[in-house]
Amino acid sequence: DAKTTQPPSMDCAEGRAANLPCNHSTISGNEYVYWYRQIHSQGPQYIIHGLKNNETNEMASLIITEDRKSSTLILPHATLRDTAVYYCIVRVVDDKIIFGKGTRLHILP
Amino acid sequence: GAVVSQHPSWVICKSGTSVKIECRSLDFQATTMFWYRQFPKQSLMLMATSNEGSKATYEQGVEKDKFLINHASLTLSTLTVTSAHPEDSSFYICSARDLPSYEQYFGPGTRLTVT
Repeated sequence: DAKTTQPPSMDCAEGRAANLPCNHSTISGNEYVYWYRQIHSQGPQYIIHGLKNNETNEMASLIITEDRKSSTLILPHATLRDTAVYYCIVRVVDDKIIFGKGTRLHILP
Repeated sequence: GAVVSQHPSWVICKSGTSVKIECRSLDFQATTMFWYRQFPKQSLMLMATSNEGSKATYEQGVEKDKFLINHASLTLSTLTVTSAHPEDSSFYICSARDLPSYEQYFGPGTRLTVT
């Protein structure tokens, strides 16, 4: 079973920051938070991951609360190409990836 | 970045026939590969874990005799859907795990249509 809870869908205006929340209240101390996205009819694409510190890369930022029970993925300037299903996954680094239902993000022109 | 390919990208076959899907890690070695299935408007469902040189481990409810997995080398895993039926029509996606990073990289998927 997926260990995360995400809203089923969200809208964001093009050019604005998209903030995608994820609850993972049962996360264990050795589990990381991973984010992937899947654009229609493609394989999932890795975005970012973190353990407890906030992380940033060229695609996004990941904000993890101090108690690690929730996190937020931030796409700083959303474009139409960011329209996708976003999956928040918690896992031990060498474990298999189990996908939940994810959040369907619509970027509005 | 690490690249995983799948072949074919799409395939149409007749009911009762078998179809093989290949998953290759192009620039790294993968002792472990994973196979997923995705029906329209649903999430990815893990089918099995493929380990090089040993038998695959199937998730509960997945028929191992119907979905044959072979992982004969460090860069290639194959999924054979035997005696395919229309309900096997789906999007099949593989991923390959890189050592020592343990990162998983996903293939582009194979769309199977059984008529």
